[in-house]
Amino acid sequence: AQTVTQSQPEMSVQEAETVTLSCTYDTSESNYYLFWYKQPPSRQMILVIRQEAYKQQNATENRFSVNFQKAAKSFSLKISDSQLGDTAMYFCAFMKHDLTRLTFGEGTQLTVNP
Amino acid sequence: EPEVTQTPSHQVTQMGQEVILRCVPISNHLYFYWYRQILGQKVEFLVSFYNNEISEKSEIFDDQFSVERPDGSNFTLKIRSTKLEDSAMYFCASGPGTASYEQYFGPGTRLTVT
Repeated sequence: AQTVTQSQPEMSVQEAETVTLSCTYDTSESNYYLFWYKQPPSRQMILVIRQEAYKQQNATENRFSVNFQKAAKSFSLKISDSQLGDTAMYFCAFMKHDLTRLTFGEGTQLTVNP
Repeated sequence: EPEVTQTPSHQVTQMGQEVILRCVPISNHLYFYWYRQILGQKVEFLVSFYNNEISEKSEIFDDQFSVERPDGSNFTLKIRSTKLEDSAMYFCASGPGTASYEQYFGPGTRLTVT
């Protein structure tokens, strides 16, 4: 079974600064997908960024980028130029290649301070 | 932009009653999912559905739960006899499948069992 661990329950950052959220996972699969989802107070789950395990290049979406280290089974999220609207719970998630389920971490509550 | 919709947004029911949560996935998607999130906890997988049958289910998805795709657009989750511990946010998600692997979430249905 797959497990996802987010070791930082809470983090805070000043507006316009950069913050990195950590995620590690455990799997015996060689082909899989990794995701970061954002959950604001509305509780909507919003897809932030995704990464295919077979791609060595780290994914980037505007101010969001990942550092994917397959051998270390690490998948961190970097948010640059943090904005007040980035305040949310962030979940790291894993999915096998068969697309059957997402396995989520415990989440990191990020607060962006003005 | 197409989105997953869910109804109702909030459902209050008495213990032992049956509830049906409804979802309309994105129209050309092939994979459908239900997840739940107890307040303050991580998102947990319940069931995935593909080609008109369950493709995977978690240990949470016992005989009290069932899913159905009664027509070409709706995807429902039924809980036959609700328990207090079923109180949670229930998320429906859909994914395109072979063309792309992301899962897109609906806004959720908050179920309160009294």
